[in-house]
Amino acid sequence: GQNIDQPTEMTATEGAIVQINCTYQTSGFNGLFWYQQHAGEAPTFLSYNVLDGLEEKGRFSSFLSRSKGYSYLLLKELQMKDSASYLCAVSDSNYQLIWGAGTKLIIKP
Amino acid sequence: SQTIHQWPATLVQPVGSPLSLECTVEGTSNPNLYWYRQAAGRGLQLLFYSVGIGQISSEVPQNLSASRPQDRQFILSSKKLLLSDSGFYLCAWSNRGQDTGELFFGEGSRLTVL
Repeated sequence: GQNIDQPTEMTATEGAIVQINCTYQTSGFNGLFWYQQHAGEAPTFLSYNVLDGLEEKGRFSSFLSRSKGYSYLLLKELQMKDSASYLCAVSDSNYQLIWGAGTKLIIKP
Repeated sequence: SQTIHQWPATLVQPVGSPLSLECTVEGTSNPNLYWYRQAAGRGLQLLFYSVGIGQISSEVPQNLSASRPQDRQFILSSKKLLLSDSGFYLCAWSNRGQDTGELFFGEGSRLTVL
């Protein structure tokens, strides 16, 4: 079967760093996405990894290890506006996205 | 540039009433189209996807249906709503063919069934 696991909820402090992990088992792999979703809004694209390694984009970085079926999203210098759900999704052999349930990130002052 | 728009943004409907949510995409041709539902605090559940006009695949059994009357128009319908149909409905599109599979979402439609 296909499975994507990520923590349900995480709490971090403003200005700190947080790492959100995602592990996956899918039929085929054509890349891994991270989306951000604020409450009541649609998901928005954050990052895409298809090769092993770290992709950095400003305060956000995403890492992929295909051999381990593992990714993480790293958020630095946390701001209150980063409070949101972060969704991990894998593109399978048919280029269909398989979604994790999302990680709700709570930022405290 | 490509845009996607869905409406209405919010609606409150009584149990047993019909439903119609509409989604249109501009700036691209032959997109894959999707309808997702998200219950409060939950992940995305794929309801329907379409690879072309009149071609609809259903992922879960339910009292909802979808139609694609035009290339860039996707409609979600129900003849009789249930309480369990309440949720946040998202339309999305992706490029046809061997692209990454990235999805681009509409603004979402929040449905409350009373």
